[in-house]
Amino acid sequence: GAGVSQSPRYKVAKRGQDVALRCDPISGHVSLFWYQQALGQGPEFLTYFQNEAQLDKSGLPSDRFFAERPEGSVSTLKIQRTQQEDSAVYLCASSLGLAGLTGELFFGEGSRLTVL
Amino acid sequence: AQSVSQHNHHVILSEAASLELGCNYSYGGTVNLFWYVQYPGQHLQLLLKYFSGDPLVKGIKGFEAEFIKSKFSFNLRKPSVQWSDTAEYFCAVNEGAGGTSYGKLTFGQGTILTVHP
Repeated sequence: GAGVSQSPRYKVAKRGQDVALRCDPISGHVSLFWYQQALGQGPEFLTYFQNEAQLDKSGLPSDRFFAERPEGSVSTLKIQRTQQEDSAVYLCASSLGLAGLTGELFFGEGSRLTVL
Repeated sequence: AQSVSQHNHHVILSEAASLELGCNYSYGGTVNLFWYVQYPGQHLQLLLKYFSGDPLVKGIKGFEAEFIKSKFSFNLRKPSVQWSDTAEYFCAVNEGAGGTSYGKLTFGQGTILTVHP
């Protein structure tokens, strides 16, 4: 597609449920990021992939959060045993090369997770 | 760790008014600076960026920003706003290339701009 695609756009989960959020980056983009955006806040870094390698997961808030990008394209963010504090918009972004050099991330529209 | 501070949470202006949104960051090394914009119902998109060179950078839709290294600031400006500029604006920073940078951005908390016709 023309842009970064995320699904589902909206997800309501009961506390304790597992959820999986999908990101389909722009074709050929090497770099892929996940960000978490709480209500009224800016996006906060979760994790970074360069192709299939997860090079930085320092932003993942707990071991309940897990991300993968097994073939270097589509990525999945999984949250186990969801808690109310996990409620947020989860943004995926991709970049053609090393984004530190190209300077631009292309963001998807996000997946809004609400945990009841 | 880096942090980015945006001074105003919500700015309300009338069309044709001038705009300045403040952004300060805390990081002593080389940085790349960005402003991203999110229009209602749309995804975040790049407005402008500064890597090096002329500290006054121009972006899309008549926006510009000035990097003042001594003040750790990167304020966004527009001489005359339009109703269509209504959006949320985010300042962001990453460590400059040449270090371990791969583009990890630290964002400010955002400023909502409402422009009345």
